[in-house]
Amino acid sequence: EPEVTQTPSHQVTQMGQEVILRCVPISNHLYFYWYRQILGQKVEFLVSFYNNEISEKSEIFDDQFSVERPDGSNFTLKIRSTKLEDSAMYFCASTQIAGGTHNEQFFGPGTRLTVL
Amino acid sequence: SQQGEEDPQALSIQEGENATMNCSYKTSINNLQWYRQNSGRGLVHLILIRSNEREKHSGRLRVTLDTSKKSSSLLITASRAADTASYFCATEILNDYKLSFGAGTTVTVRA
Repeated sequence: EPEVTQTPSHQVTQMGQEVILRCVPISNHLYFYWYRQILGQKVEFLVSFYNNEISEKSEIFDDQFSVERPDGSNFTLKIRSTKLEDSAMYFCASTQIAGGTHNEQFFGPGTRLTVL
Repeated sequence: SQQGEEDPQALSIQEGENATMNCSYKTSINNLQWYRQNSGRGLVHLILIRSNEREKHSGRLRVTLDTSKKSSSLLITASRAADTASYFCATEILNDYKLSFGAGTTVTVRA
């Protein structure tokens, strides 16, 4: 069964460093997302991406964040200068929107980002 | 903001018993989705119920949706130790494409 994959599973970085989290969405899906979950808290929406551009972003997704689909399969989240409060589990998700019908969002296994 | 809120926060049951958890939300939705998360792991999609549906089944899972009360329930029948996890409802509000998650219900199934 197709699944969303993410790499790395765990990333440790120093405050102020740039990190890139990678995702491979399910191949026939058109909408891609990043969410994050700070330890012990709710899953929060960061950004959605459709047709090679950002569709919507939350207040969390400030100028330090960017997303890119560099090729036909990968979807990346970049944090330019990490802060301690960026430590969280980051989830990529994808969904197939067909004929206006909204379908299941499938999530990847997550990347645990630890900022020291 | 539009969010699902689960109730109860935690549930402890004996293997073989049923587990029921509820989710309430605030505004009109396209659909409501339930996910399971084992400790520190990813989100596993369980079931999606659309705003024009009232009940759906998948294996031992039964989900109901009452749009007049803006609430949903997830029933796990004949629970197993492997069902121990956190369960989240997530709503996709009308004319939007992102999910809003609740805080989750932590279910512990005792052998």
